[in-house]
Amino acid sequence: EVQLVQSGAEVKKPGESLKISCKGSGYSFTSYWIGWVRQMPGKGLEWMGIIYPGDSDTRYSPSFQGQVTISADKSISTAYLQWSSLKASDTAMYYCARDGGPPGEGFDYWGQGTLVTVSS
Amino acid sequence: DIVMTQTPLSSPVTLGQPASISCRSSQSLVHSDGNTYLSWLQQRPGQPPRLLIYKISNRFSGVPDRFSGSGAGTDFTLKISRVEAEDVGVYYCMQATQLWTFGQGTKVEIK
Repeated sequence: EVQLVQSGAEVKKPGESLKISCKGSGYSFTSYWIGWVRQMPGKGLEWMGIIYPGDSDTRYSPSFQGQVTISADKSISTAYLQWSSLKASDTAMYYCARDGGPPGEGFDYWGQGTLVTVSS
Repeated sequence: DIVMTQTPLSSPVTLGQPASISCRSSQSLVHSDGNTYLSWLQQRPGQPPRLLIYKISNRFSGVPDRFSGSGAGTDFTLKISRVEAEDVGVYYCMQATQLWTFGQGTKVEIK
């Protein structure tokens, strides 16, 4: 069974750093792109970026380029999304999702989401 | 950047009646490999999104056949043949031809 399990909710202060994770299982982790999606409170889905764990090829949305870093550790089948300096406007639910391949065939499996709250 | 525009943004429907959502892209979604990477997702309240349709009209595993997708080029449609209570939620189109982009979402609710 394909599963993506994300790390737990985080509460941070502005200016702090953060790295959240997404662990894949039940499939070949290195063979599928993993994307990250932001959903601000009461708002729609925003594509942030995507990584191919097989070779760490990474693409970013222009809206998020330079704001976050996406990485992966294929030895432990885990993708990451990190911030170096959080802002209150980063408060949102963050989802990871697998692209069904090769890529472009839709985000077929999703993590449960990680709620990030940034508040002083 | 490709911009995805959905209409309507809200769709009150009667149980058992059909529903239709449109999605228009700012440029053609035909990829250089000949495929059109347009998918539809459903997000029920309090849940992660779920893939319904990929490459315009292919239903994902386990998706009821009352959901169907159609379209070409820049204009696409998701149809629900007979809306059931469990279909309440927000529906998103998403393109993956040039990077990835979501539409704004369409809220389907019961009248």
